[in-house]
Amino acid sequence: GAVVSQHPSWVICKSGTSVKIECRSLDFQATTMFWYRQFPKQSLMLMATSNEGSKATYEQGVEKDKFLINHASLTLSTLTVTSAHPEDSSFYICSAYTNEKLFFGSGTQLSVL
Amino acid sequence: AQTVTQSQPEMSVQEAETVTLSCTYDTSESDYYLFWYKQPPSRQMILVIRQEAYKQQNATENRFSVNFQKAAKSFSLKISDSQLGDAAMYFCAYSPARPQKLVFGQGTRLTINP
Repeated sequence: GAVVSQHPSWVICKSGTSVKIECRSLDFQATTMFWYRQFPKQSLMLMATSNEGSKATYEQGVEKDKFLINHASLTLSTLTVTSAHPEDSSFYICSAYTNEKLFFGSGTQLSVL
Repeated sequence: AQTVTQSQPEMSVQEAETVTLSCTYDTSESDYYLFWYKQPPSRQMILVIRQEAYKQQNATENRFSVNFQKAAKSFSLKISDSQLGDAAMYFCAYSPARPQKLVFGQGTRLTINP
């Protein structure tokens, strides 16, 4: 099956710093990728849809200036959490869409001190 | 807006028995997909089963099957011969026909008792 690699799997940062999370489709091209956020013991909430070569589409309530998404190639989308604060601590998961199927990355646990 | 509701926060079942997880959804679309995902402690999202709304036949994958009631907007998951490895969070999810943007339910934590 198709593989989506998400890196890093775990990151700790200081409040006020920025963190970049990468999502790569290893053996297929993904014109569309999705970024989700999951708080402890809660469900996944869609943050944004990332389309290759164009601006991301953010869901209502998601700050586009805080969560910068770049989909520069057909195999890579990045999520940058800018000026991170403790309330941004969460599990972030990406998924990539191809041939009417979705494939998930393994997720990134972000902890902001 | 589409919504997905899982009314059972927790379920438990004896090993080798059968358990059914409930899911209802709301949409005005006629063409869409429904999914059940498993999330073990590793938090990797694992696709269990998928149903296309235009198909009347219920999807099955080995010990996993669904009861898809389109008119009632219900999509339950039946796990037969439960195994210890089935213990996980289970999420029901909805997606429009394209581009596969998922709306998740709240999840059901399934415990398997040996």
